Amino acid sequence: DAGVTQSPTHLIKTRGQQVTLRCSPKSGHDTVSWYQQALGQGPQFIFQYYEEEERQRGNFPDRFSGHQFPNYSSELNVNALLLGDSALYLCASSSRAGQTVTDTQYFGPGTRLTVL
Amino acid sequence: AQSVTQLDSQVPVFEEAPVELRCNYSSSVSVYLFWYVQYPNQGLQLLLKYLSGSTLVKGINGFEAEFNKSQTSFHLRKPSVHISDTAEYFCAVSVLGGATNKLIFGTGTLLAVQP
Repeated sequence: DAGVTQSPTHLIKTRGQQVTLRCSPKSGHDTVSWYQQALGQGPQFIFQYYEEEERQRGNFPDRFSGHQFPNYSSELNVNALLLGDSALYLCASSSRAGQTVTDTQYFGPGTRLTVL
Repeated sequence: AQSVTQLDSQVPVFEEAPVELRCNYSSSVSVYLFWYVQYPNQGLQLLLKYLSGSTLVKGINGFEAEFNKSQTSFHLRKPSVHISDTAEYFCAVSVLGGATNKLIFGTGTLLAVQP
């Protein structure tokens, strides 16, 4: 049973560029959340997608956007990259199962983004 | 708003010794509590969670945690650590009755097990 997968593993971009990160949820899961983990910090919630819609958003600017596809996979897009966007981006999946907040989130290995 | 405080950024301990990683949270509403572990260059793995019921929760790899509502704490313990337990440990909360199951994390505690 495949867990949460993310691609690419590493990415290097320059300031002002745009980036797209991809996530495939664990089998049987239909909800995807994205987190940003800066060096030495805990993960920060960016947003969550369910039924192809953004359900909740953390304190991140509009440069951060996302998408969920009918097969439940998801993309995170970041425009106009800043040096401060350098971080590990984690994807987590869960099952809504009646939209209960007790659903455990399972995390992927992350994408390490470096902005130069 | 909710917040999580992990007071110790790093905890050095010798192999086979007991360890406690501290976690305190702040919330005006009821929360669920979690501990995740992150090994080098990997994602997060769930160790244990408290949703309701018994305040002593047992997780994987011999870890356990105790929920203390009056002290708003959820400390993680292990009676005897191994070298392989060396990792970053994150405490997290999610809001009971919230719109989603989003997690709010602490800044993490590095458990460094020495031989």
